[in-house]
Amino acid sequence: EDQVTQSPEALRLQEGESSSLNCSYTVSGLRGLFWYRQDPGKGPEFLFTLYSAGEEKEKERLKATLTKKESFLHITAPKPEDSATYLCAVYGVGGGKLIFGQGTELSVKP
Amino acid sequence: DGGITQSPKYLFRKEGQNVTLSCEQNLNHDAMYWYRQDPGQGLRLIYYSQIVNDFQKGDIAEGYSVSREKKESFPLTVTSAQKNPTAFYLCASGIPGPSLGPQHFGDGTRLSIL
Repeated sequence: EDQVTQSPEALRLQEGESSSLNCSYTVSGLRGLFWYRQDPGKGPEFLFTLYSAGEEKEKERLKATLTKKESFLHITAPKPEDSATYLCAVYGVGGGKLIFGQGTELSVKP
Repeated sequence: DGGITQSPKYLFRKEGQNVTLSCEQNLNHDAMYWYRQDPGQGLRLIYYSQIVNDFQKGDIAEGYSVSREKKESFPLTVTSAQKNPTAFYLCASGIPGPSLGPQHFGDGTRLSIL
């Protein structure tokens, strides 16, 4: 069964303290991995798409990487405005449905 | 601005009542999706539609119904058969097919029981 697991469930950082969020996936044939940011009471906002192992994408303080079993979202020198829940999702080989992880709630304190 | 509009933002349901959540998109996407989000859980797919006048059940379709009469609109009805409807409901749209690009989301409807 296709599955996505994110860790940790919650992460508290001081402003400027870099860290990484993990997304482990089990799918029979990866056809795309997506990272989203979700603020409280809002819908998820698209961040990155990764399609193949070794691929990397960057946006401001965020960098997403992909291996054959997991993806990392690296946050460099975070600011309080980076506080949000980060969601990871994959398309399996069937391609019709996105499978979401439970998310990592990130809190960055000044 | 292109996007997805969900309404209402908050909705209250009485016992035995059906309620309908609205979702409209102007992104010209063929595919539309309904998800349910509960605290501590990932998004779970309720229904999806890849083309007008056609839709498929997702993982938790029981107690819900949809229609897709127009490309831009994909309303979700939460029926009285759904015994635990309190949740945050998210609508999304995207482009189906080999490219399998990202889905784009609306800002949700929060449904509660009166």
